Amino acid sequence: QLRLQESGPGLVKPSETLSLTCFVSGDSIEGSSQYWGWVRQPPGMGLECVGTVYYTGTAFYNPSLRSRVTISVDTSKNQFSLKLKSVTAADTSVYFCARLHGGPTALSPFDSWGQGTLVTVSS
Amino acid sequence: EIVMTQSPATLSVSSGERATLSCRASQTVGSSLAWYQQRPGQAPRLLIYGVSTRATGIPARFSGSGSGTQFTLTISSLQSEDFAVYYCQQYINWPGAFGQGTRLEIK
Repeated sequence: QLRLQESGPGLVKPSETLSLTCFVSGDSIEGSSQYWGWVRQPPGMGLECVGTVYYTGTAFYNPSLRSRVTISVDTSKNQFSLKLKSVTAADTSVYFCARLHGGPTALSPFDSWGQGTLVTVSS
Repeated sequence: EIVMTQSPATLSVSSGERATLSCRASQTVGSSLAWYQQRPGQAPRLLIYGVSTRATGIPARFSGSGSGTQFTLTISSLQSEDFAVYYCQQYINWPGAFGQGTRLEIK
């Protein structure tokens, strides 16, 4: 059974870099022929797609975050990661990692999700 | 950028009754429209994709319809576990915007 688990600091200082990793079990990132991605949700608010990545390392980003975000993949560890630099309080959110539905499409519905991790940006 | 607008913001319905949730796109999204359910403290769960295809394990009481810019999620007979927040999402182009959500509450 597919399981995704986010890991990383729950508190990041303003102007620093937010770093999260998603550990995947029950499926192979390289063998799945699917994209994997990050979605965030500010407390009490709606959902925002951050970006997606393929096992080859090809990544696509939300245009509003593109200048600050990097999503990478490590197939040897079956995990993928998110880095968001120069964070502000507006980046405080629950961050979910997820698998995209269907074939190798960079933008498609997210069909399996991690439980999410709250990252607070505060000094 | 495509903007997704959901209505109403809150919908109060009794158990066993039908609920109809709406989602409008600011421009056509073709059939690239999905619906999610999010219960408090949980991750979203994919219900519907391609406007009307139920995801794996989703009960038949959930159905989706629409085309172009106007879409509907219908829950035919509400169960207690259906009271949650529902989001639509377009995935025809980046950034794959979600609607702001409809909270479905018990009347």
